[in-house]
Amino acid sequence: ETGVTQSPTHLIKTRGQQVTLRCSSQSGHNTVSWYQQALGQGPQFIFQYYREEENGRGNFPPRFSGLQFPNYSSELNVNALELDDSALYLCASSLELTGELFFGEGSRLTVL
Amino acid sequence: AQSVTQLDSQVPVFEEAPVELRCNYSSSVSVYLFWYVQYPNQGLQLLLKYLSGSTLVKGINGFEAEFNKSQTSFHLRKPSVHISDTAEYFCAVILTSGTYKYIFGTGTRLKVLA
Repeated sequence: ETGVTQSPTHLIKTRGQQVTLRCSSQSGHNTVSWYQQALGQGPQFIFQYYREEENGRGNFPPRFSGLQFPNYSSELNVNALELDDSALYLCASSLELTGELFFGEGSRLTVL
Repeated sequence: AQSVTQLDSQVPVFEEAPVELRCNYSSSVSVYLFWYVQYPNQGLQLLLKYLSGSTLVKGINGFEAEFNKSQTSFHLRKPSVHISDTAEYFCAVILTSGTYKYIFGTGTRLKVLA
């Protein structure tokens, strides 16, 4: 059984640029959620997708957007990057809406 | 406003001693409650969860938690810790009111001392 995989693992961008982070869900999981984890903080919920539709969103501006594809993989897009966007971005998949979250190792984004 | 509060940012405890990590939540809608653990240089993994039923929930590695609705708490306990329990522990809730929203606490760093 393949776990949740994220790419890239590390990346560096400059302020104002755009970034796309990718996530492959665990096999059979139809729900994916994304989190931002700043150093020393807990994960902050960005949004969740269930069967290709967004069905929950945290307190993040519209420049944070996402997609879930028919194979349940997902993307997180962030436009107009700001310095404060520097963080670890975690993807998690689950078998059902209130089920156990299976996390990937994360993508560490540095914005200069 | 909905929130999750982990009252202790760090908890040092000697090996084989008991430990309690505290978690309180604030919500006006139904919640589901979770504890996740993050070992050094690893991703988060589920320790235990409360969805409904018995308020005492048992998880992996000897951990348990009790849901107390009147005190809006979900404290995590272990009667005897091991060095290998050293990790960051996160309490989390899912708010369910049509859409789903996850809220994680800021984490408690458990350091088990020899």
